[in-house]
Amino acid sequence: AQSVTQPDIHITVSEGASLELRCNYSYGATPYLFWYVQSPGQGLQLLLKYFSGDTLVQGIKGFEAEFKRSQSSFNLRKPSVHWSDAAEYFCAVDIHGSSNTGKLIFGQGTTLQVKP
Amino acid sequence: DAGVIQSPRHEVTEMGQEVTLRCKPISGHDYLFWYRQTMMRGLELLIYFNNNVPIDDSGMPEDRFSAKMPNASFSTLKIQPSEPRDSAVYFCASTPGQGRYGYTFGSGTRLTVV
Repeated sequence: AQSVTQPDIHITVSEGASLELRCNYSYGATPYLFWYVQSPGQGLQLLLKYFSGDTLVQGIKGFEAEFKRSQSSFNLRKPSVHWSDAAEYFCAVDIHGSSNTGKLIFGQGTTLQVKP
Repeated sequence: DAGVIQSPRHEVTEMGQEVTLRCKPISGHDYLFWYRQTMMRGLELLIYFNNNVPIDDSGMPEDRFSAKMPNASFSTLKIQPSEPRDSAVYFCASTPGQGRYGYTFGSGTRLTVV
């Protein structure tokens, strides 16, 4: 069955430090890949997406992610974390079948805490 | 555009009561999705519509749950009768087409069944 795994449930980094959040997926073909961020009490906001082309994609708020087919991974990175980045981050995979209707499957999420 | 609009933001109800959650998708978005978020199960897809027609309801937990989309600008998710284990945050999302566009989520409805 298709699945999305975020190995780290909780990560704490110091403000100004670099960040990498891991995401692995299990799917036969190359899916569409997304990262979303959720602040407390809010909905999910799209950070970035990949569906083809350059495997390094840029998103909003200074985030980037790299698709590695050989590792079935789509890790999210940021070179310098700000206190406002503290939130929950979700990796998601769109399983688009022959009908292209698509279903978005989410990982369990990684909670990011930023230390001053 | 005002984004995906959900109402109410919070709902507290007693076990056994009927609950109706509402969603207005972004104009022009042909797909609408209902998700449920809990600590134990994370984000679960309940049902989604394409052009107002239900396409996949395999995530609906049981017959107590039903969803409708009478027109392109409105959808409801109904729970009747409600149970404490239905307590969760329910999100609605919409997208203009195939998955590569990503989804726009509403702010969610926090449901508490006591």
